Amino acid sequence: ETGVTQSPTHLIKTRGQQVTLRCSSQSGHNTVSWYQQALGQGPQFIFQYYREEENGRGNFPPRFSGLQFPNYSSELNVNALELDDSALYLCASSYGTSGAGEQFFGPGTRLTVL
Amino acid sequence: AQTVTQSQPEMSVQEAETVTLSCTYDTSENNYYLFWYKQPPSRQMILVIRQEAYKQQNATENRFSVNFQKAAKSFSLKISDSQLGDTAMYFCAFIRGGSEKLVFGKGMKLTVNP
Repeated sequence: ETGVTQSPTHLIKTRGQQVTLRCSSQSGHNTVSWYQQALGQGPQFIFQYYREEENGRGNFPPRFSGLQFPNYSSELNVNALELDDSALYLCASSYGTSGAGEQFFGPGTRLTVL
Repeated sequence: AQTVTQSQPEMSVQEAETVTLSCTYDTSENNYYLFWYKQPPSRQMILVIRQEAYKQQNATENRFSVNFQKAAKSFSLKISDSQLGDTAMYFCAFIRGGSEKLVFGKGMKLTVNP
């Protein structure tokens, strides 16, 4: 059974640029959630994708967008990067959307915006 | 809105000792789940233990157990026989039943000393 993977591991961008982060869900899972973890903080929910549709969104501006593909992998896109976007971005996969199931996390992508 | 509070930012304990991590939460929901996640320096968030709010019995997983006090909205984690590998950030998290959004506390850094 393959766990959740994310790419790239690290990324350095400059303010105003755009970035795409990728996540492969665990085998058998159809739901992917994205979280932003600023330094010294707990993860904050960005949004969730279920069966290729956005299924809930946290308090993040529209320049944060995502996709889910038929194989349930997912992308997080951030446009017009700001310095405050520097964070660890975590994706988590699960089965269904009941909230009862465990979310399995990937190792994260560390984004630095200069 | 649900909130999760971890008031102790940092703790240290000697190997083989017992330590308790505290967490309180605020919700008006009756159907929810509580979690403790561990995030070692490798960054990968790992589920330690899970508690369903409708269950009165406290969850236990080997050396890890919780003290779930629903009326007080308290959810503490007890680690028995602490091991060096327990050194990590620990996050308390909440999810409402049927929701897509895990709400995390700010985390607590636990150091286990030899």
